[in-house]
Amino acid sequence: DQQVKQNSPSLSVQEGRISILNCDYTNSMFDYFLWYKKYPAEGPTFLISISSIKDKNEDGRFTVFLNKSAKHLSLHIVPSQPGDSAVYFCAAIIQGAQKLVFGQGTRLTINP
Amino acid sequence: EPEVTQTPSHQVTQMGQEVILRCVPISNHLYFYWYRQILGQKVEFLVSFYNNEISEKSEIFDDQFSVERPDGSNFTLKIRSTKLEDSAMYFCASTDIGYEQYFGPGTRLTVT
Repeated sequence: DQQVKQNSPSLSVQEGRISILNCDYTNSMFDYFLWYKKYPAEGPTFLISISSIKDKNEDGRFTVFLNKSAKHLSLHIVPSQPGDSAVYFCAAIIQGAQKLVFGQGTRLTINP
Repeated sequence: EPEVTQTPSHQVTQMGQEVILRCVPISNHLYFYWYRQILGQKVEFLVSFYNNEISEKSEIFDDQFSVERPDGSNFTLKIRSTKLEDSAMYFCASTDIGYEQYFGPGTRLTVT
């Protein structure tokens, strides 16, 4: 089941610079997308979401962009901070359904 | 800030034994979920629960699995006869009416 894919298993970014995490999906029925952050030994923590009727949603340092025609979304973190080091999961859901479909995750490391 | 809690944090059991994983969802939430993550793999949906019944389940959620909301606060996942391949992190999640699901810290289940 590869409906949601995060092709970069890891990403290393210098503190203060922009981190860009990418996610692709194949199921055109998905209409809501979420990003979760996960630290070791903790559960996924909701970060930011976007509806398919929008192309951008911003919350502080975090911005999610959605390109429906390309079936692609990205999470921008600017400026990146050491506390942002974690695994980031992209997830998608079909309106009216119950289950989140997750990508494999991208491990982000912010270097001082 | 309200949070989802799970107990135990780690459960070791022998193959064939029954286990019950417990969760306390956020108090005003109406929808409850179980997900699991086998080491090195994606977070996978198991089951959703609303209004005291299963609303959706995955292929993984076979007759060996069951869920229950025994009282107004707890939500449990039972595995009747554990197999080696049931070893995973099990996450409980809950939500009110939105798509953003809030996850607990997880229970690590080790089947020997």
